[in-house]
Amino acid sequence: AQSVSQHNHHVILSEAASLELGCNYSYGGTVNLFWYVQYPGQHLQLLLKYFSGDPLVKGIKGFEAEFIKSKFSFNLRKPSVQWSDTAEYFCASRGDDYKLSFGAGTTVTVRA
Amino acid sequence: KAGVTQTPRYLIKTRGQQVTLSCSPISGHRSVSWYQQTPGQGLQFLFEYFSETQRNKGNFPGRFSGRQFSNSRSEMNVSTLELGDSALYLCASSWSSARSDTQYFGPGTRLTVL
Repeated sequence: AQSVSQHNHHVILSEAASLELGCNYSYGGTVNLFWYVQYPGQHLQLLLKYFSGDPLVKGIKGFEAEFIKSKFSFNLRKPSVQWSDTAEYFCASRGDDYKLSFGAGTTVTVRA
Repeated sequence: KAGVTQTPRYLIKTRGQQVTLSCSPISGHRSVSWYQQTPGQGLQFLFEYFSETQRNKGNFPGRFSGRQFSNSRSEMNVSTLELGDSALYLCASSWSSARSDTQYFGPGTRLTVL
């Protein structure tokens, strides 16, 4: 069974700082990768996804992620965070079993 | 376009009872998936339905079941509730069951088992 691990449980940043959240997946075959975000009081929404092609994926709100197959990684980045980026971030993968597997999530707190 | 809706939003039950949760997907979406979210286990896949057929199932006991209707609405049933079933149950819909398809999540049903 595939699994997803997120390196950080809680990240605290100041506004304008850069953000990088680590994500590693275990599946060795063809995989689709996703980053979801859950803002306080809101439901999960998609930030970006990778399924083929350019390994650098750009998403909404200035987020991007890089798929590195050799490292089984799909790290999320944002060059300059805002207070409104305070949320919980989930990395997820979907392999040949078609099941969407989520990481444990990373809580990001941005201080004004 | 309306998003995924789930009813009820909150539910309190006692051990041994059964519960049915409902999910209405985004109009035109034919795939519905269910997830359980708990602080200890995180988000775990329960099952996926597409065109009224269960396409995939997670590692949950048989007490957890579901179905999908011809209008793509889905219900999830948990029988003989246990304390550990207390969780946020999320429903997600997508256009198809393709692996790269984006799943759109609803707000969830918060189930508390006493």
